[in-house]
Amino acid sequence: DAGITQSPRYKITETGRQVTLMCHQTWSHSYMFWYRQDLGHGLRLIYYSAAADITDKGEVPDGYVVSRSKTENFPLTLESATRSQTSVYFCASSVSPTYEQYFGPGTRLTVT
Amino acid sequence: DQQVKQNSPSLSVQEGRISILNCDYTNSMFDYFLWYKKYPAEGPTFLISISSIKDKNEDGRFTVFLNKSAKHLSLHIVPSQPGDSAVYFCAASALGANNLFFGTGTRLTVIP
Repeated sequence: DAGITQSPRYKITETGRQVTLMCHQTWSHSYMFWYRQDLGHGLRLIYYSAAADITDKGEVPDGYVVSRSKTENFPLTLESATRSQTSVYFCASSVSPTYEQYFGPGTRLTVT
Repeated sequence: DQQVKQNSPSLSVQEGRISILNCDYTNSMFDYFLWYKKYPAEGPTFLISISSIKDKNEDGRFTVFLNKSAKHLSLHIVPSQPGDSAVYFCAASALGANNLFFGTGTRLTVIP
């Protein structure tokens, strides 16, 4: 089906572990984004990508790594998870960075 | 520093009445504004947008008003329906920017 998917939908991991959140879109949108949603903060941008092999930091990039070898995939890696990274993570894509973005269903990550 | 602010965390409205959700911004370079709706366990979905060259945009029961001098926008939902119960995020972007800036969200509850 066309759209944007995220996996896993739920993840529990331990402090210090590496974890990768996957994002896949079928629209061939150039732009892709990773956000985290936390109470009192709304949606904050972690990283974004303008095209394959082009990525840049957002508002809260520390502790995260991204890659984009293919247009349709944009994985987010927490290299050494911390409790402060417990959050809901949303991936989004768009044809332009400043117009409508289309969001995936989210991944709820708990770091214990 | 929150550039887009939604000062009301929650709002309750009777079914059939008008819901008014407010959003303020600080960056005078913002020229495009969007509203997103989010249900629990789902990603945000685009609802309606407005360009800074307009002061009103209407789509069915949803109308967005923009007051540039006050750096304020509002979303009106008339008539409100129980299915409108969700968290609403406003977002803004500036020409040439690489991302949207989101507010912290307002939880709307429509009481049957």
